[in-house]
Amino acid sequence: GDSVTQMEGPVTLSEEAFLTINCTYTATGYPSLFWYVQYPGEGLQLLLKATKADDKGSNKGFEATYRKETTSFHLEKGSVQVSDSAVYFCALSEKAAGNKLTFGGGTRVLVKP
Amino acid sequence: DGGITQSPKYLFRKEGQNVTLSCEQNLNHDAMYWYRQDPGQGLRLIYYSQIVNDFQKGDIAEGYSVSREKKESFPLTVTSAQKNPTAFYLCASSSQGDGAYGYTFGSGTRLTVV
Repeated sequence: GDSVTQMEGPVTLSEEAFLTINCTYTATGYPSLFWYVQYPGEGLQLLLKATKADDKGSNKGFEATYRKETTSFHLEKGSVQVSDSAVYFCALSEKAAGNKLTFGGGTRVLVKP
Repeated sequence: DGGITQSPKYLFRKEGQNVTLSCEQNLNHDAMYWYRQDPGQGLRLIYYSQIVNDFQKGDIAEGYSVSREKKESFPLTVTSAQKNPTAFYLCASSSQGDGAYGYTFGSGTRLTVV
């Protein structure tokens, strides 16, 4: 079945540091890929997405590129802020699986001033 | 504005009681989902519904029940059979026609057994 593996946290950074969160996936077909962000005490918000190979999703300074050859969708941001402290979830959906989202375990990021 | 509304935000339950969590969406989405999130952990699927009057068990359905009588509404009942119900519960919806849009989530209900 489909699965998503992302690096375990917590990831602790200083403000203006570079952030990378690794995400790899296993899927039978050609999934759509997503990054969601969860701020403390809240639901998940869609951060960015990519629907086919080599697509780059971007939003709020975050980027991720759909790499079919390495089955990866790593999240990056060049200069983090304290407000980026949150839990980040990588996810995929496949039409063959009824478009249900499969989530990774989440990575907690803490940015210190 | 379109979105998903979960209520209440906080809920306290005595042991042995059933409680119902509300989830309403005005996005005209066909599919709706319930997830459970425990502290420091990922999301686990409880139940989902892809069409009115139909729903399927997810990975951890035991001790929970749902109904889907209207497209807009997908309430979750946590029954007394659920032995460890204290958790953060998230409802989501999606447009079934295209998985490329992902899910829209509500803001969650935090359930605590007292």
